[in-house]
Amino acid sequence: DAEITQSPRHKITETGRQVTLACHQTWNHNNMFWYRQDLGHGLRLIHYSYGVQDTNKGEVSDGYSVSRSNTEDLPLTLESAASSQTSVYFCASSTGTATGELFFGEGSRLTVL
Amino acid sequence: AQSVAQPEDQVNVAEGNPLTVKCTYSVSGNPYLFWYVQYPNRGLQFLLKYITGDNLVKGSYGFEAEFNKSQTSFHLKKPSALVSDSALYFCAVRDSSSGSARQLTFGSGTQLTVLP
Repeated sequence: DAEITQSPRHKITETGRQVTLACHQTWNHNNMFWYRQDLGHGLRLIHYSYGVQDTNKGEVSDGYSVSRSNTEDLPLTLESAASSQTSVYFCASSTGTATGELFFGEGSRLTVL
Repeated sequence: AQSVAQPEDQVNVAEGNPLTVKCTYSVSGNPYLFWYVQYPNRGLQFLLKYITGDNLVKGSYGFEAEFNKSQTSFHLKKPSALVSDSALYFCAVRDSSSGSARQLTFGSGTQLTVLP
């Protein structure tokens, strides 16, 4: 069955370190998204991609970057981790249609000390 | 711009009673509306969506949602709640006329607790 997987599921790091969260989907979806989930804020869009070599900033993109070198993967990089980036991160993918739903990974819980 | 509001952070209901989780939206064009459920330490799972047509949409696990254009609402409902329905529920909207029509905007979530 097709799926979307995230790794690591849990990560503890220190302020200032670079962190990369992996996202891999086997749906062959063009669209991929990274969200963060924080209490009281729901899900907020960090970055998204509509295809290979395409990346776009979401509403909370500062301090984060992504790259899309193939259809399956959209890694999220925190260049210099900050305590404010402690959160649960979700990757999602969808078809290219406006009516299509998102398929989510299980999440990556990041703690920045 | 598209937005969605879930006015209740928490909804409690007794097992066997009907449940409603509220959602209102704002878009410029026609809305595409979605409901998702999140169980503890899990990702979001798709429940149902409204694209066009019948205002009553049926989805997974016995849930349904009613689209009301005049009230700009898309409330989630279930005739008889189960304890296993206890979870966090998210409403989401996509504006069909937006240049970023492929992005979903999520509400802040409603924690549903079904009491035995």
